[in-house]
Amino acid sequence: NAGVTQTPKFQVLKTGQSMTLQCAQDMNHEYMSWYRQDPGMGLRLIHYSVGAGITDQGEVPNGYNVSRSTTEDFPLRLLSAAPSQTSVYFCASSYGSGSSNEQFFGPGTRLTVL
Amino acid sequence: GESVGLHLPTLSVQEGDNSIINCAYSNSASDYFIWYKQESGKGPQFIIDIRSNMDKRQGQRVTVLLNKTVKHLSLQIAATQPGDSAVYFCAENQNFGNEKLTFGTGTRLTIIP
Repeated sequence: NAGVTQTPKFQVLKTGQSMTLQCAQDMNHEYMSWYRQDPGMGLRLIHYSVGAGITDQGEVPNGYNVSRSTTEDFPLRLLSAAPSQTSVYFCASSYGSGSSNEQFFGPGTRLTVL
Repeated sequence: GESVGLHLPTLSVQEGDNSIINCAYSNSASDYFIWYKQESGKGPQFIIDIRSNMDKRQGQRVTVLLNKTVKHLSLQIAATQPGDSAVYFCAENQNFGNEKLTFGTGTRLTIIP
């Protein structure tokens, strides 16, 4: 299994540009989440999904969109990039509640918005 | 709002010694707690979890202690090794699940050879 994969690893955007961060998992996990991590801080939840077709907002959803058309993929879209979105973005997946709750994280995407 | 915090931002421990990393949480409704390890340039890695109906849980070289009375969580690492050097995060949720975790700011553990 590849686990959780994220692309790209690094990205530089100009203010106002849009882009999609890709996340895929091959473990048939129901739960998938997107977090951002800023220097010296813990992870903050952006959006999450409890299954295909179901998404919900986390702590810091503004400026981001998600969709979950398949179990495997959970892309994160930046609609109009702002310097405040400069961060490291992590995607994670896990089985649903009631079974193993170990959450697997991808390697991250380091995004810089100029 | 509710938050999860850590007492110490950095901790240095001699190789072979035991280390204790602490975490305070403020949400009394929190039901589920997790410790993660994050090495430089990598995503967090699950270490151990505990539910609020327990006060202790042990894994391989790690023990998590939960004191609900004072809303305190700790991670004990026995016989530390150089590979234990990392940032450690506690996270909490109001339900037994990963869908809405709140993370603390992290403690950097450095193992001194």
